[in-house]
Parts: sequence; structure tokens; C-alpha cells
Amino acid sequence: AQSVAQPEDQVNVAEGNPLTVKCTYSVSGNPYLFWYVQYPNRGLQFLLKYITGDNLVKGSYGFEAEFNKSQTSFHLKKPSALVSDSALYFCAVFNTDKLIFGTGTRLQVFP
Amino acid sequence: SQTIHQWPATLVQPVGSPLSLECTVEGTSNPNLYWYRQAAGRGLQLLFYSVGIGQISSEVPQNLSASRPQDRQFILSSKKLLLSDSGFYLCAWSGGQGADQPQHFGDGTRLSIL
Repeated sequence: AQSVAQPEDQVNVAEGNPLTVKCTYSVSGNPYLFWYVQYPNRGLQFLLKYITGDNLVKGSYGFEAEFNKSQTSFHLKKPSALVSDSALYFCAVFNTDKLIFGTGTRLQVFP
Repeated sequence: SQTIHQWPATLVQPVGSPLSLECTVEGTSNPNLYWYRQAAGRGLQLLFYSVGIGQISSEVPQNLSASRPQDRQFILSSKKLLLSDSGFYLCAWSGGQGADQPQHFGDGTRLSIL
């Protein structure tokens, strides 16, 4: 069965520092992977996706993600964190008309 | 451009009362539609999804039901609410059958059961 895992409940980073939010996947076949962000009392917003091609995917708000097939990972990254990046982040994998979401990682960026 | 609307934004209902949450999408046709529940600001639980009018797939057996009476309308219902139905309900749509289609979410309904 397709699944994703987000091993960290929370990630804390200082403003201006690089950030990484981790995601590993387990799929049969080629993975179709997504990252979403959720701000308080709002729906999820699509950040980026990996379908095929370059392993480094660029998305919204300066975020990028690196697909690593050998490590079955799809970590979300940003070179310089902003306080406004503080939110809940979800990794997801596509599976037959639907997405399977991870449990989410709360990112806290401190000034 | 495409937009998705959910209402109401918040709802307080007594145990045993009925429920109807509505979701509509504009600016696209034949979308896939989804209902999720999110408990305590954390993980998402897929409740129902639909790939066409009248086609509903249920992911979790419970006292909720869904209907799709029109192409861009998705309704979540219950005849009698339970305390455990409290949560943040999110509707989402995606375009077509492709695996590369991201889902786009509404701003949710926060449901509190008293």
C-alpha cells in the first residue's frame, strides 16, 4: 500500500536559517508526491509536486523539495526561513484517485 | 480561475441533530471531489470522494454520508450527530483523473457537537 511518513511532529528553526521538513514514502511503482501547507483555521494549500524529471522540485513561497529514490525520501526545504513560514506541513502520495497524507509536521520559525 | 466554497465556516450542533455541509466548485467541470475530517489540527482523514455525479466512494464506515447531486456540488450529511463527529471538515477538488493533479482545498467548516 502507498504511504508516507513524517517522522517529526515539530521542527523549530531560527529566522534566516535553512529549514528541512522530512518525508519518506513507501510505494509500489513510480511515486507521485506532493507537499501542502496549512495555516491556522484554513484549508491546505498546494506547495509543489514531484511526478517525474528533475529530482529538485521548486514550488511556491521559495520552497523546494528533493526527491531521493535510493532513500525513498522527499524532504521539503527552504534556504532561509521566515517567521511567516510557521504552519503545519503535509506530505502526500497519490494513490488511485486520492492522496494519502502524512500526519503533518508543525514548523515553528523563531525571530 | 477555479474557486471552491464551503459553508458554513463554523457550526455548533447538539448531539442527535442532523447535519448538512455544502461544498461547491466554480470554474471547472467534472472535478474529483473529496471530504476530509481533521481532528485537533493534525492528520487528515479522507471520508468520501467522488469522480462523477452520483458516484460516491466511502473510505470510513460511520454515521456520515455524502452526495453529489450536481457536477460541482458535494454535500456531507448526517441524520444524527455524535460527539465524535466534532472536527474540522475540509472539502477539496482536483482536475480529472491524472496522478499529477493536485487537490485544492476550501477553508473548511469547524463543527462542534455539544
